Amino acid sequence: DIQMTQSPSTLSASVGDRVNISCRASQSITTWLAWYQQRPGKAPKLLIYKASNLGSGVPSRFSGSGSGTDFTLSISGLHPDDFATYYCQQYQIYSPATFGQGTKLEVK
Amino acid sequence: QVHLVQSGAEVKKPGSSVKVSCKASGGTLSTSGITWIRQAPGQGLEWMGGIIPTSGSPNYAQKFLGRIVITADMSTNTAYMELTSLRSDDTAVFYCATLAAGGFLDFWGQGTLVTVSS
Repeated sequence: DIQMTQSPSTLSASVGDRVNISCRASQSITTWLAWYQQRPGKAPKLLIYKASNLGSGVPSRFSGSGSGTDFTLSISGLHPDDFATYYCQQYQIYSPATFGQGTKLEVK
Repeated sequence: QVHLVQSGAEVKKPGSSVKVSCKASGGTLSTSGITWIRQAPGQGLEWMGGIIPTSGSPNYAQKFLGRIVITADMSTNTAYMELTSLRSDDTAVFYCATLAAGGFLDFWGQGTLVTVSS
């Protein structure tokens, strides 16, 4: 299976900051990568698909980039409700889907 | 926009089985697949398996083979996930999610907590 590794595991930031979360795949997945946001006690929500495409209704302060094995989720101008846990997921065809271990974005 | 509603929380004994349902509205399961995801307490997301009803056969993660069955009833627009031989480490929230073209998960159910305890 393709392994997904996120960094950092925890990220401290303040409202208004710009942050980057990294996700690395153990082999090339071209751009078959999604990002999800999960608030405590809630189901995950799709943010980004195919590495850089914004999900429906997702604010434009969220953006995704990367291809091959290295990907980044960027959030510019953090809002209070952005403090949550973020997961990347690869969905390479003919391979079981796998998630990163998560990055918890917390208030500094 | 698809809305998924899952069945309620369950408490099960070790060795027993659980069947969780996921009813879709605002769209049909026949046009998108359903995937099941497990999240143990305080842990990350784990793909369990999924089904695309029009293709028939489900596919499962290796670690659940032999213990999981995923089905879909097109007449009621409902998907099911049954997990057998439950252990205490199966205690988790189980999510269903629709499988968008390509394989990302665009709509999620609210989650079903399954507690396995003697």
